[in-house]
Amino acid sequence: ETVMTQSPDILSVSPGESATLSCRASQSISSSLAWYQQKPGQAPRLLIYGASTRATGIPARFSGSGSGTEFTLTISSLQSEDFAVYFCQQYNNWPPQRTFGQGTKVEIK
Amino acid sequence: EVQLVESGGGLVQPGGSLRLSCVASGFTVSGSYMSWVRQAPGKGLEWVSVIFSTGSTFHADSVQDRFSISRDSSKNILYLQINSLRADDSAMYYCVREELDDYGDSYFDSWGQGTRVTVSS
Repeated sequence: ETVMTQSPDILSVSPGESATLSCRASQSISSSLAWYQQKPGQAPRLLIYGASTRATGIPARFSGSGSGTEFTLTISSLQSEDFAVYFCQQYNNWPPQRTFGQGTKVEIK
Repeated sequence: EVQLVESGGGLVQPGGSLRLSCVASGFTVSGSYMSWVRQAPGKGLEWVSVIFSTGSTFHADSVQDRFSISRDSSKNILYLQINSLRADDSAMYYCVREELDDYGDSYFDSWGQGTRVTVSS
């Protein structure tokens, strides 16, 4: 099983600042990585797939990078609606055993 | 517009069974990859099961032999049959449609709002 580890667990950021979230895979997953945003009481929402491609309707302030085992989600100029929990997820292996990171909570500083 | 509406959750005793349903609109379940993902209260996300457009199914090792995913193409509904329920199966269960990326791998594109399962005596 490919284990996904996110860091940090909690990130305190002031509105208008940028946030950098990390995700590490226990083995290479090429670019088969997605990022999701989840707000309290809501279902997750797809932000990024293919490590760096923004999903439809996702603002340009969200950007993803990385390949292999190291990945980053950057949120530039945080808006109030961006404070949430972010999960990374790999979808590379066969047979399919999709795995998520434990999540990073981005909170208001 | 893609819509996914789950139902069938509730309170069930340990050892019991449930069948979760997900009514889809805006696309065909049979032509898509569909998954169930669960989230225990205050915890992270856990992929549970997938059914491919071919009909092939796969489950997470943690639920193998107890969970079964299926679909009704005529009704455009996805199902998750859960047997021998345990306390650690208590979670919100999300129905998810997958999309393929440029390399033919699939990610979770659209999510329903979930149905809650609570296992308790």
